[in-house]
Amino acid sequence: DTAVSQTPKYLVTQMGNDKSIKCEQNLGHDTMYWYKQDSKKFLKIMFSYNNKELIINETVPNRFSPKSPDKAHLNLHINSLELGDSAVYFCASSQDRVAGTEAFFGQGTRLTVV
Amino acid sequence: SQKIEQNSEALNIQEGKTATLTCNYTNYSPAYLQWYRQDPGRGPVFLLLIRENEKEKRKERLKVTFDTTLKQSLFHITASQPADSATYLCAFTGGGNKLTFGTGTQLKVEL
Repeated sequence: DTAVSQTPKYLVTQMGNDKSIKCEQNLGHDTMYWYKQDSKKFLKIMFSYNNKELIINETVPNRFSPKSPDKAHLNLHINSLELGDSAVYFCASSQDRVAGTEAFFGQGTRLTVV
Repeated sequence: SQKIEQNSEALNIQEGKTATLTCNYTNYSPAYLQWYRQDPGRGPVFLLLIRENEKEKRKERLKVTFDTTLKQSLFHITASQPADSATYLCAFTGGGNKLTFGTGTQLKVEL
């Protein structure tokens, strides 16, 4: 049973397209996140939701829109894709939003914009 | 701005030796510091958490220290094995359990 699963694992698309990445966790956690890992392997937070409520929104272009239909799901929609969006996107979850709570990561979605 | 750095992008050691990885931070006083392991093509996996009032934490062959005066955490793997080869990330947690990651250190344990 995969704890945090994201689909697709690989996504190749053309500039200007709109795409979505889906994430589901079966851990019963309240908090979910999206992180971006760039070509230099630097991992940075994008968004966080707690019980479907947005609690962290880093400086991310508004072409990126997260959506949480329920606390087990956090999807990431990206409009008008640009070359610079190419990266690995990781979904994660934690039991709650209390600082220091262990985070569980998905296997990542490698997005390539051509 | 807050900064967290892990020195040496890559660390090669011989099997059986102790690997020591360093994490330094500036412009912040984290209450918690976490260490994660990341294998190629996979997401980070949690290893250990240490609180600011703890000097040391151990788990099997792993040991983490936290020196708030030096603003540094050290991560040790004793009796290292080739299976320990991976990238190790330190991170401090802020409000909302936001993780701010370091640059990562790639460890390679050679036979």
